[in-house]
Amino acid sequence: ETGVTQSPTHLIKTRGQQVTLRCSSQSGHNTVSWYQQALGQGPQFIFQYYREEENGRGNFPPRFSGLQFPNYSSELNVNALELDDSALYLCASSSTPDREKLFFGSGTQLSVL
Amino acid sequence: GQQLNQSPQSMFIQEGEDVSMNCTSSSIFNTWLWYKQDPGEGPVLLIALYKAGELTSNGRLTAQFGITRKDSFLNISASIPSDVGIYFCASLGSGTYKYIFGTGTRLKVLA
Repeated sequence: ETGVTQSPTHLIKTRGQQVTLRCSSQSGHNTVSWYQQALGQGPQFIFQYYREEENGRGNFPPRFSGLQFPNYSSELNVNALELDDSALYLCASSSTPDREKLFFGSGTQLSVL
Repeated sequence: GQQLNQSPQSMFIQEGEDVSMNCTSSSIFNTWLWYKQDPGEGPVLLIALYKAGELTSNGRLTAQFGITRKDSFLNISASIPSDVGIYFCASLGSGTYKYIFGTGTRLKVLA
């Protein structure tokens, strides 16, 4: 059973740039969610995708967007990067009927300079 | 908005000691989950609770869903060095899939 994998592991961008983060869900999982974890804090829910549609969103601006593909992998896109976007971005997958049980990847550490 | 507050924020304990931590909120939740995060890794699910008063164990870990549905507790018995990490409680906003994580309890074990 393949776990959740994220790429890249680390990324450095400058303010105003755009970034795309990728996630492959655990085999058999049809739901993907994304989280932002600032240093010393708990993960903050960005959004969730189920069957290629967004079905829940946290308090993040529209410049945070995502996609889920037919194979259930996912992308997180962030436009017009700001310094405060520097964080660990975590992807988690889950499957019905236990969608609340999340399986996380190791994350992408994004630094915005 | 809904928040989950964890205490203590951090703790040092001796190897072999029992550990208790809790998670409280001003809101009622129908599900409580506990995760552990090691440095450089994503959180790992430890225990899921679905019913007020429920007590569930996973090895040396025991968690309880508070009767008021506004809190949850996690106990670790006979701690070992690999218990080091950050423990997060989590729940789902009512009627949504908006996941909420607590502020975390950082556990450090002295050998």
